[in-house]
Amino acid sequence: QVQLQESGPGLVKPSQTLSLTCTVSGGSISSGGYYWSWIRQHPGKGLEWIAYIYYSGTTDYNPSLKSRVTISVDTSKNQFSLNLNSVTAADTAVYYCARWATTVVAPYWFFDLWGRGTLVTVSS
Amino acid sequence: EIVLTQSPGTLSLSPGERATLSCRASQSVSSGHLAWYQQKPGQAPRLLIYGASSRATGIPDRFIGSGSGTDFTLTISRLEPEDCAVYYCQQYGSSLTFGQGTRVEIK
Repeated sequence: QVQLQESGPGLVKPSQTLSLTCTVSGGSISSGGYYWSWIRQHPGKGLEWIAYIYYSGTTDYNPSLKSRVTISVDTSKNQFSLNLNSVTAADTAVYYCARWATTVVAPYWFFDLWGRGTLVTVSS
Repeated sequence: EIVLTQSPGTLSLSPGERATLSCRASQSVSSGHLAWYQQKPGQAPRLLIYGASSRATGIPDRFIGSGSGTDFTLTISRLEPEDCAVYYCQQYGSSLTFGQGTRVEIK
């Protein structure tokens, strides 16, 4: 079955760029029908959607983060990535990659598959 | 951006009781654009309900989603000990946002 796995540094210095990669296994990111997303969760807090991307490169971003975020996809590696620049302590969170999927029956969308998450701490 | 407000913040009930979780939107949300997730400690969220009322694959029928417009509800008809978790609603009608969560505790 399809699985998602986040990877990247667990510690980033303030003002630097946070870079994470999500590797998709058990299925092709290019098969279509899904968007690939990043979501974060501040310690002890709720969920915040960051961005998603289609295998063709179509993207959408959370307006509150858009100026600092880039999401990209590498179909040859079956991966998609997140870059968040100019980070501060407020960007310390667990970052999840997730699959944004729909149904055949009706055009409802939802996050049906999640990675286990990776904690990124912003600190000098 | 649509703000989702969940209530109560915490619900403490006994096994077998009914849990009623509310999700109120700051603007009307199309029913098809509302989902619910369950998150247990140390785990990623799990999809429970999509389209406001459709259960995801493998979700027990004690989880029931309902509502429309600005008011949505997740009902757990008979609480089981394993239902101890935080529950989030999420909409994507206007951008994509989550509620702040309701914690369900089992007495």
